[in-house]
Amino acid sequence: SAVISQKPSRDICQRGTSLTIQCQVDSQVTMMFWYRQQPGQSLTLIATANQGSEATYESGFVIDKFPISRPNLTFSTLTVSNMSPEDSSIYLCSVGSGAFGGNTIYFGEGSWLTVV
Amino acid sequence: GDSVTQMEGPVTLSEEAFLTINCTYTATGYPSLFWYVQYPGEGLQLLLKATKADDKGSNKGFEATYRKETTSFHLEKGSVQVSDSAVYFCALSDPTGSARQLTFGSGTQLTVLP
Repeated sequence: SAVISQKPSRDICQRGTSLTIQCQVDSQVTMMFWYRQQPGQSLTLIATANQGSEATYESGFVIDKFPISRPNLTFSTLTVSNMSPEDSSIYLCSVGSGAFGGNTIYFGEGSWLTVV
Repeated sequence: GDSVTQMEGPVTLSEEAFLTINCTYTATGYPSLFWYVQYPGEGLQLLLKATKADDKGSNKGFEATYRKETTSFHLEKGSVQVSDSAVYFCALSDPTGSARQLTFGSGTQLTVLP
């Protein structure tokens, strides 16, 4: 299985500021994803982080609000820009591991953000 | 599009009771199916998975069988413990897509009382 480290694990942020979350994986992976889990809710995919090209965003998420970097096959960052209280969520990095047809998706511990 | 429907919670059981959390799905192709667990204050952990019809995933006393005919992947445990209290998410990954993102159910909160 893949070991995924996220930083920060928790933070309290001021309204209007931006925060960058880092995701480090212990092995090279093709697929990296960013999810959001709002309080008491399920997980929603924000985007797929593509190595060497722009991320692929899901409906309702835009690059200006959630810029993503993927400089190599083991690392990605997600920035939450111009934060408001509605951005208070857990942000989770995930990676796909395994051969086609048997893929398993692993998650980091999450970054718990509270915007005040 | 793909979707996952989970039994609504919260579910409250006494220790050693039998647990079933229902999960049904809609997908094109032949998805892989997963159960993830989120303990209080923690991230998501993979509990078990099944990648093809009739496969049974199992872990920590939990089991789920991939039923293609009923498009279901119900989670069961014969005797729950207080430490099983958590939120359980059913999810699918459609291998026909270009990326392996997951589609999640809404989650089911389980509380086990001593």
